[in-house]
Amino acid sequence: DADVTQTPRNRITKTGKRIMLECSQTKGHDRMYWYRQDPGLGLRLIYYSFDVKDINKGEISDGYSVSRQAQAKFSLSLESAIPNQTALYFCATSAGQGYAGELFFGEGSRLTVL
Amino acid sequence: AQSVTQPDIHITVSEGASLELRCNYSYGATPYLFWYVQSPGQGLQLLLKYFSGDTLVQGIKGFEAEFKRSQSSFNLRKPSVHWSDAAEYFCAVGTGNQFYFGTGTSLTVIP
Repeated sequence: DADVTQTPRNRITKTGKRIMLECSQTKGHDRMYWYRQDPGLGLRLIYYSFDVKDINKGEISDGYSVSRQAQAKFSLSLESAIPNQTALYFCATSAGQGYAGELFFGEGSRLTVL
Repeated sequence: AQSVTQPDIHITVSEGASLELRCNYSYGATPYLFWYVQSPGQGLQLLLKYFSGDTLVQGIKGFEAEFKRSQSSFNLRKPSVHWSDAAEYFCAVGTGNQFYFGTGTSLTVIP
């Protein structure tokens, strides 16, 4: 099984619908992240969490919310999806060791908003 | 502000040829640098990382990268490219709290 699991892997939805992307990890890491990938723009940080009680906005948090239900679970919600939120979304984790930890990625959730 | 620049959007090389992907960063302190690879339909996999010490770092799949502080660069190299290296490559800077990614370089390998 993958260390970082994202569900669903693919989702097509309509404008205005609420969508939740879920992420779970078995790496035991404290830090979890949600990124969005768009062609030509690389990866942009949406939200990150350093522990269950710590949630921080990234550079593109508008239109998104998150929930850290447990150390191993970090969900991303789109309360009212819009077409420009069509993208590939990645969850990632890193060890809570300051600079030393690299990111470990899930396989991505491809979201299409019609 | 921190930033990462990958000036080449797309590179095409012949199989067996050498490869160099460029990465420049802007960061006020000692950088923690990474190269990730993304194969089609996959997540990102770490190729190599630099934290300190030897400025030439070796990674998986025969890749290496050299940190040059004077040029604010961390270029990725491979002496002989294989068809399976076709993918998207991302350079990233870690600041302790966040990671900043470049926009990626897409690599095509021709026979």
